[in-house]
Amino acid sequence: KAGVTQTPRYLIKTRGQQVTLSCSPISGHRSVSWYQQTPGQGLQFLFEYFSETQRNKGNFPGRFSGRQFSNSRSEMNVSTLELGDSALYLCASSLAAGSSGNTIYFGEGSWLTVV
Amino acid sequence: TQLLEQSPQFLSIQEGENLTVYCNSSSVFSSLQWYRQEPGEGPVLLVTVVTGGEVKKLKRLTFQFGDARKDSSLHITAAQPGDTGLYLCAGLSRSSNTGKLIFGQGTTLQVKP
Repeated sequence: KAGVTQTPRYLIKTRGQQVTLSCSPISGHRSVSWYQQTPGQGLQFLFEYFSETQRNKGNFPGRFSGRQFSNSRSEMNVSTLELGDSALYLCASSLAAGSSGNTIYFGEGSWLTVV
Repeated sequence: TQLLEQSPQFLSIQEGENLTVYCNSSSVFSSLQWYRQEPGEGPVLLVTVVTGGEVKKLKRLTFQFGDARKDSSLHITAAQPGDTGLYLCAGLSRSSNTGKLIFGQGTTLQVKP
C-alpha cells in the first residue's frame, strides 16, 4: 500500500510569506504528526492530530498551525516566515495515537527554504 | 521533559567492523523505534521494540530494549558501505495517550570500503 505522501517536496519562500504543506497518511491511518528537522536541533515535534482533533502540540510559536480533514489528510501552515524556519518538515502517520507498540511511519518530507 | 541521549554522534569505520549505537534515558517509554535516514529523505523505520529485554534481529542488525524500557542499543555486525546513514532512536511516551515521538540526536555512520 502507498506510504505517507507529502507535497510539495521542495519549495522556496521569502521572509514574511506564508506556506502550506500537505500530508496524506497511509490508508487506514487516523493519526498524523508533524516534525521539524534541522541540523542544529534534530527532529522536533510540532503537533499531532487524530480524528480531526489536535491531541498534542510541541513548543513552537503560534505561527505554526495545522489541521486534519475528515479523510485523515493533514495540512500545516507557517505564517510570517523567518529564515530560521528553513528545515525539512516531516509528516508521520499511525493507526491510532498512544497505543503501546504503535508503529509510526514517516513521509519523505517537504524541504522548505526561506530566503 | 523526556530526553533521549544517543551516542556516539558520529562514527566512521571500515567495512567489516562491528559497531554499537546507544540510546539512553531516565524516562520509561512504552516502545522505542529505530529509524535510518538518508540525506534529503524521511526516516525509514527499521524496528519497533515494545517489551523490556526484547531483542530483535534484522539481518546484520540487532536491536535490544532495556529491561526497564529506558534504554536501547543497535548493534551492526560486519558493517557495509550500504549501512552508511543517519540512525535515529525515538521513544513513544508511556505516560500520555499520544503518538508524540521523542527523538535522540542521531548517529551519523560512515562505512568506508
